[in-house]
Amino acid sequence: QQPVQSPQAVILREGEDAVINCSSSKALYSVHWYRQKHGEAPVFLMILLKGGEQKGHDKISASFNEKKQQSSLYLTASQLSYSGTYFCGTECPYSGGGADGLTFGKGTHLIIQP
Amino acid sequence: DAGVTQSPTHLIKTRGQQVTLRCSPKSGHDTVSWYQQALGQGPQFIFQYYEEEERQRGNFPDRFSGHQFPNYSSELNVNALLLGDSALYLCASSGWDRVYEQYFGPGTRLTVT
Repeated sequence: QQPVQSPQAVILREGEDAVINCSSSKALYSVHWYRQKHGEAPVFLMILLKGGEQKGHDKISASFNEKKQQSSLYLTASQLSYSGTYFCGTECPYSGGGADGLTFGKGTHLIIQP
Repeated sequence: DAGVTQSPTHLIKTRGQQVTLRCSPKSGHDTVSWYQQALGQGPQFIFQYYEEEERQRGNFPDRFSGHQFPNYSSELNVNALLLGDSALYLCASSGWDRVYEQYFGPGTRLTVT
């Protein structure tokens, strides 16, 4: 089942913070975050595994609440380059080992204005 | 280090025709997944190939088939094209040791008229 992302869109001024949420009705093994700019391929940001720690690099970090099947992506002091559509991709436990294909949400459109 | 490459970039086909899309994975990667992305939507998983076999399949009809070659490159075939097959087709590759991190190619834009 497709994860639900919120908000659908957000407009920020450069330097402001943003939080993008992703929730699933199914038990999750992992949550993957991607950013896609118009006309380009999705770019991998980070992955959070069940039982893993909160991840982050530079000013982008994410958390994964396994009990609630929810993940949040945090963008602090946003830069113009952060503009794009953010997708969360979820993966359910796979009995055979290895990765399932990802189930992506509909995306969150982030616009950063100068 | 070459990333994931796909060909062709754009393609226009007529309803009922067949199409083949190609993907070369990132160097060192041996697993290839295919996704369909309709305009304004997130990518939808079609199937995944590893060791020349289909490992996983999403909710797509049998008109969608694939193949993986010994050099890990892959093809996606779609038969009896429908207007609804118009989309961006993305290929993503990953390595068996870090299979969870998928790297996407630029995609093939398919238009069915």
